[in-house]
Amino acid sequence: DAKTTQPTSMDCAEGRAANLPCNHSTISGNEYVYWYRQIHSQGPQYIIHGLKNNETNEMASLIITEDRKSSTLILPHATLRDTAVYYCIVVYQGGSEKLVFGKGTKLTVNP
Amino acid sequence: EAQVTQNPRYLITVTGKKLTVTCSQNMNHEYMSWYRQDPGLGLRQIYYSMNVEVTDKGDVPEGYKVSRKEKRNFPLILESPSPNQTSLYFCASGDRGYEQYFGPGTRLTVT
Repeated sequence: DAKTTQPTSMDCAEGRAANLPCNHSTISGNEYVYWYRQIHSQGPQYIIHGLKNNETNEMASLIITEDRKSSTLILPHATLRDTAVYYCIVVYQGGSEKLVFGKGTKLTVNP
Repeated sequence: EAQVTQNPRYLITVTGKKLTVTCSQNMNHEYMSWYRQDPGLGLRQIYYSMNVEVTDKGDVPEGYKVSRKEKRNFPLILESPSPNQTSLYFCASGDRGYEQYFGPGTRLTVT
């Protein structure tokens, strides 16, 4: 029972913003949205997380809709090194800390 | 530098020959876990540990053992490896819920 739905793949031009959507329509009030990415067979890398407010860090911004049923990860100026599989994960804070990775979105940044 | 290290990075072995994949973190994290990644199946958790001497099964623990005698180390033991354990293995650690750091991976081939 997948908690999130993401497009299988997306393309983005180098230097442009990459906007990766995630649908989590069954999210409950105490569940967070986490984003990770995996660059070709490397270990997954934490990007950002949020509950209901928009969040920004040095890597990306996370926009969560007011009803919390969807979110968008924004890479403001994508580079070739951002080519990776991006995973949107919904978790219950205070749970077992297990990350359940779905299939994610394969983002290809083109020169 | 904060990191999770795994050794070996690559291993080819034969069925039934016991092996250990080491995992070490230098961030004083309480939580550590092991995942395996297979094409079409994604990342699946094998075992996890919430603290020293505390370990528990993940989703696919059969054929694996772990131990957590020290906070920094969490070795994965395959007592009698079989070809279906051929996979890419990742160790992860964390101290704030789901914000976790992953190692570089160990590619294991069992013939």
